[in-house]
Amino acid sequence: AQSVTQLGSHVSVSEGALVLLRCNYSSSVPPYLFWYVQYPNQGLQLLLKYTTGATLVKGINGFEAEFKKSETSFHLTKPSAHMSDAAEYFCAVSRTNFGNEKLTFGTGTRLTIIP
Amino acid sequence: DGGITQSPKYLFRKEGQNVTLSCEQNLNHDAMYWYRQDPGQGLRLIYYSQIVNDFQKGDIAEGYSVSREKKESFPLTVTSAQKNPTAFYLCASSIMGRNTEAFFGQGTRLTVV
Repeated sequence: AQSVTQLGSHVSVSEGALVLLRCNYSSSVPPYLFWYVQYPNQGLQLLLKYTTGATLVKGINGFEAEFKKSETSFHLTKPSAHMSDAAEYFCAVSRTNFGNEKLTFGTGTRLTIIP
Repeated sequence: DGGITQSPKYLFRKEGQNVTLSCEQNLNHDAMYWYRQDPGQGLRLIYYSQIVNDFQKGDIAEGYSVSREKKESFPLTVTSAQKNPTAFYLCASSIMGRNTEAFFGQGTRLTVV
């Protein structure tokens, strides 16, 4: 079975500072990993995804994540936080078997940006 | 524009009543999903469907029902058997196969009064 652990339900950073949101996964098969962002009272929007190939994945809005198999991690980073980054972020894992791609989500990390 | 439309955005229901949440997509996706979101619990899968006229229970299907009569539509009914239905409900869709991500609607916030 697949599972995702997001360390820290709330993270606060100053505007311009590094953003680091942590995600560790558990999977019995090579995982497909995703980061989604959710603004208040809205649906989720895909930030980036890892499937195969390059382990450093670049996404939208300046975010990137690195897949580290040895650490079973997929942490999300952004070099310089912007006020518009304030939102909730979800890490998710998907099975790779064809026909059963449902996602397992972490419990989310709410990011607050301090002016 | 292609996308997923959920309606209504806000819904109020009296205890003991069934209510149906609408989800329509024009992305030509085969797979559709319903998630429930509660504060601090992330998203939990209620039901999913990978083909018309077929669907499977997710992790928290009790008290919910779905249908998939058309590829574009996947309505969710919250029945009176659901003991704590107040939540934010999200519908999503995706293509089948590898290297796929889910596309989400804007959600429906259901409040039982």
